[in-house]
Amino acid sequence: EAGVTQFPSHSVIEKGQTVTLRCDPISGHDNLYWYRRVMGKEIKFLLHFVKESKQDESGMPNNRFLAERTGGTYSTLKVQPAELEDSGVYFCASSQDPHRGEEETQYFGPGTRLLVL
Amino acid sequence: KQEVTQIPAALSVPEGENLVLNCSFTDSAIYNLQWFRQDPGKGLTSLLLIQSSQREQTSGRLNASLDKSSGRSTLYIAASQPGDSATYLCAPTYSGAGSYQLTFGKGTKLSVIP
Repeated sequence: EAGVTQFPSHSVIEKGQTVTLRCDPISGHDNLYWYRRVMGKEIKFLLHFVKESKQDESGMPNNRFLAERTGGTYSTLKVQPAELEDSGVYFCASSQDPHRGEEETQYFGPGTRLLVL
Repeated sequence: KQEVTQIPAALSVPEGENLVLNCSFTDSAIYNLQWFRQDPGKGLTSLLLIQSSQREQTSGRLNASLDKSSGRSTLYIAASQPGDSATYLCAPTYSGAGSYQLTFGKGTKLSVIP
């Protein structure tokens, strides 16, 4: 079974440009999460989708970040315009069902390393 | 606001030793807790999930315990091997508004010396 995949693995852009990150969750996982680690800090929650609906976007830093999950499958996270402080590693995770034992496990992708110059 | 502290920040042990990694969290109203390992430049690999109603969970040489009331979890690694070298992350889940977000500590960087 394929795990969570993310694209691209690395992205280097200039301040003011736009970048779109993509996440493909494990097939059948309704729950999709985005997290971010900026340099030297802990991994922080950004938002949570249940199917195509945003369940919780309390961790989104500002309105330059837009996440979508059309059709309830893959998700995109767009940063527009990018700022220097957006540099970091963006992780996506998915889980099957947050109410059912082992199905609560969140599985992480390899991350996208974003560098804003 | 949930805060997670992991002690020690780094640990170096000779191969074969048993070791304990500690995790504490400020809000005891957790839903569950996951332990992960992260290898350099890689994503997070889930090791164990322990539900709030459980006291411990085992997988191979790993054993995780949970004491919700005191806000503590430990990860016990038996007979450590060089392949265990990685950063270990503790992440309780706090369920609020229907979301199940993980809150991470900074991790413990483990080095197992052959």
